[in-house]
This record gives sequence, structure tokens and C-alpha cells, in this order.
Amino acid sequence: DGGITQSPKYLFRKEGQNVTLSCEQNLNHDAMYWYRQDPGQGLRLIYYSQIVNDFQKGDIAEGYSVSREKKESFPLTVTSAQKNPTAFYLCASSKQAGPANQPQHFGDGTRLSIL
Amino acid sequence: GQQVMQIPQYQHVQEGEDFTTYCNSSTTLSNIQWYKQRPGGHPVFLIQLVKSGEVKKQKRLTFQFGEAKKNSSLHITATQTTDVGTYFCAAPNTGNQFYFGTGTSLTVIP
Repeated sequence: DGGITQSPKYLFRKEGQNVTLSCEQNLNHDAMYWYRQDPGQGLRLIYYSQIVNDFQKGDIAEGYSVSREKKESFPLTVTSAQKNPTAFYLCASSKQAGPANQPQHFGDGTRLSIL
Repeated sequence: GQQVMQIPQYQHVQEGEDFTTYCNSSTTLSNIQWYKQRPGGHPVFLIQLVKSGEVKKQKRLTFQFGEAKKNSSLHITATQTTDVGTYFCAAPNTGNQFYFGTGTSLTVIP
């Protein structure tokens, strides 16, 4: 079955530590996204990528970094500069970005907590 | 940037009652999408509205896009316990990103 796989499901970070969240899709989608969701809140865009080797900052990119070396993969690194990383992180993909505005397909998410 | 305001934030209904959530924008939208997120789950795409005044139905769910394309609503008729979750609207901005509303959390009391 096609879909988006996020790992791990739960992740704990120590102070001063960088952690990387994995996101893989086999839907052959061009666009991929990372969102952060805090309890009782909506989704806020961290980074998005419309094509391999290209990505743009969203509203809350500070303290995060991404790469898009392969079409299938869009890992998110939460750096030590992100002072409040505890949240639910959701990865999504769509067939393409742009005016066509294709539906986004989401992974199951990663819950990140500070130790 | 583009923002969509969604109301109410929470809604508790008795099973069988109707439910409506609203999304409002200060600017004209090219289209709007609706998603449902079950407790502990991830958002799932429900529908996309593109045309002014468009109305689409999915069983007990009715989606509307305003004539001015600045607002949208999702109405559920005769709610069931399976309708529990948070409903989000999402609208694109000029940068081809999607902005999600804050969501409406629906609780259905059996």
C-alpha cells in the first residue's frame, strides 16, 4: 500500500541535543511538508519542499532544518536552538504544490518530548 | 500571511444533533480544503471546494464555499459517535503553502 511512514513514533530529546525525524513516502509525490501541532492547536508549517533539492521555510522554521536529497525522503532535524520542541510533528505529501493545491496525505506523526 | 479563522474551537453535542463549523478569511481564497483528525490520529483529507457558492455532500456531511470565496462551512447532520474528532479547514496562500485553521474539536455525547 502506498503511504507516508514517519519514525520514530515517540522520541525523547536531551537538552542540547539534535534529533532527526524520518519521513518517507512511496506515493511518488513531488511536494512534502513538515508541520508542528501543539495540544489543542492547529497545524503550523515548519518547512516544505516542492521538488528534490529544494525547500522553503514555513512560518516557524527557526530551530529546525531539513533536506530533500531524494524524492521519497524529507527528514526534519530539530536542533538544540529550538527551545520548546515538545510537540506532535506531522509529515505530509501532495502530488504537487502550486495552484492546483492537491490534497495532502499525512503520516502518523512523531511525538517529541524533552527529557 | 494568509490566515483562516475557525469557529467554534470546541463543540459538544448530543448524539443525533447537528453540528457546524465555520472558516473565515479576510481575503478571497482560490480554494479551501477540509480535514478530519481523530483523537490521537493524523489529519485525513475530506474534500476540496473551488467554485464560488459550491456545495458538496458526503453522506451526512455538507460542505459549502461562500459566494465571495471568503468563508466556508462544514455541517454534519445527525451526529454519530464516529464523527468525534477535530475538523480543520485549510487554505492556500500566495506562496503555495497551506494555512490550517485552528480546528473545531467535536465531542459527541452518546
